[in-house]
Amino acid sequence: GNSVTQMEGPVTLSEEAFLTINCTYTATGYPSLFWYVQYPGEGLQLLLKATKADDKGSNKGFEATYRKETTSFHLEKGSVQVSDSAVYFCALKTSYDKVIFGPGTSLSVIP
Amino acid sequence: GAGVSQSPSNKVTEKGKDVELRCDPISGHTALYWYRQSLGQGLEFLIYFQGNSAPDKSGLPSDRFSAERTGGSVSTLTIQRTQQEDSAVYLCVSRRGDQETQYFGPGTRLLVL
Repeated sequence: GNSVTQMEGPVTLSEEAFLTINCTYTATGYPSLFWYVQYPGEGLQLLLKATKADDKGSNKGFEATYRKETTSFHLEKGSVQVSDSAVYFCALKTSYDKVIFGPGTSLSVIP
Repeated sequence: GAGVSQSPSNKVTEKGKDVELRCDPISGHTALYWYRQSLGQGLEFLIYFQGNSAPDKSGLPSDRFSAERTGGSVSTLTIQRTQQEDSAVYLCVSRRGDQETQYFGPGTRLLVL
């Protein structure tokens, strides 16, 4: 079946450190891939997306590349800030429009 | 309003009672999803409505859970004979049929005592 696996954390980094949050997926067909972010006390919001292989989604300094050969969509940021502290969810949308989320990764950035 | 709205924002109920959670999606959004987010857990898919098609109910955890979407707009998630393990934040999400981006409601925080 369709599923999303991501590192569960919590991840704690110092400000300006490099961030990678791994995400791998299992899906039939060619899903669209997403990263959503949930800041403390707020609802989920879309961070970035990629709809086909080799696409790179980017937003707010975050990037993720759709790698079909490794079925991965790892989230990266070169220099994190305290304001990036949040829970990050990797997700896929199947060809039947069903959206599956990973368990979320909590990120804490300390000054 | 411009976003997805849900009501109530918080609900405390006693074990065994029935509850109804309401979602008003963004106008014109044909796709509507319900998810459940338990404390420290990810998002669990419950049910998906798309236009006039039969809903995908594959995520409903038991027959105590049901959902309707009237007129392709407002949706109601009903939980009968609530149990303590039903305590969670119930999220409604809508999406325009021809777009990828999902829009999340603020959620209903359900606590079953």
